[in-house]
Amino acid sequence: DTGVSQDPRHKITKRGQNVTFRCDPISEHNRLYWYRQTLGQGPEFLTYFQNEAQLEKSRLLSDRFSAERPKGSFSTLEIQRTEQGDSAMYLCASSLDALGEKLFFGSGTQLSVL
Amino acid sequence: SQQGEEDPQALSIQEGENATMNCSYKTSINNLQWYRQNSGRGLVHLILIRSNEREKHSGRLRVTLDTSKKSSSLLITASRAADTASYFCATDPYNFNKFYFGSGTKLNVKP
Repeated sequence: DTGVSQDPRHKITKRGQNVTFRCDPISEHNRLYWYRQTLGQGPEFLTYFQNEAQLEKSRLLSDRFSAERPKGSFSTLEIQRTEQGDSAMYLCASSLDALGEKLFFGSGTQLSVL
Repeated sequence: SQQGEEDPQALSIQEGENATMNCSYKTSINNLQWYRQNSGRGLVHLILIRSNEREKHSGRLRVTLDTSKKSSSLLITASRAADTASYFCATDPYNFNKFYFGSGTKLNVKP
């Protein structure tokens, strides 16, 4: 069990560019979550998957954001035409699919949009 | 918002003192979880308390839950400098294993 890993740890991009982040969950976990966190705030729910199925996408998320989890393993989060307001820490978490299961978080990807 | 809200926003104490932080939430829940986040890192699960439990202990942590007041508290006893972190409560208001986090309490334990 190597834990949840995220790549890259840091990403600096210019406004208008597209960026993609990757998350590798704990292998036996069928739930995978993406959260966004800005300085001084708690994680904000973005979307989550059960295996390869995307269960829900936050209404706060614009169409510039898309996430996939092909084959129910790793997941990618893409942001198109980045804006300065997208600057944040993007956290991935995974869990088993049962009520009350705890989330295991990765270390996050820190995105800075210049 | 279905998020929990922690209180206080920031707390500064001396090593050895106890730290208490509170979480209030808006909807009925099946369970409530507490997480810790060290600066610039991911969150780490601390403890889960179910709606039919009133108190739970784990090492130096004590969590209480009052479903009638929709509130929970986290007590860290005999705090250490290593406890310096942000603490968040998380609720799953719809029992979908979809968790909402509060804005956190930033704890500073001075050596």
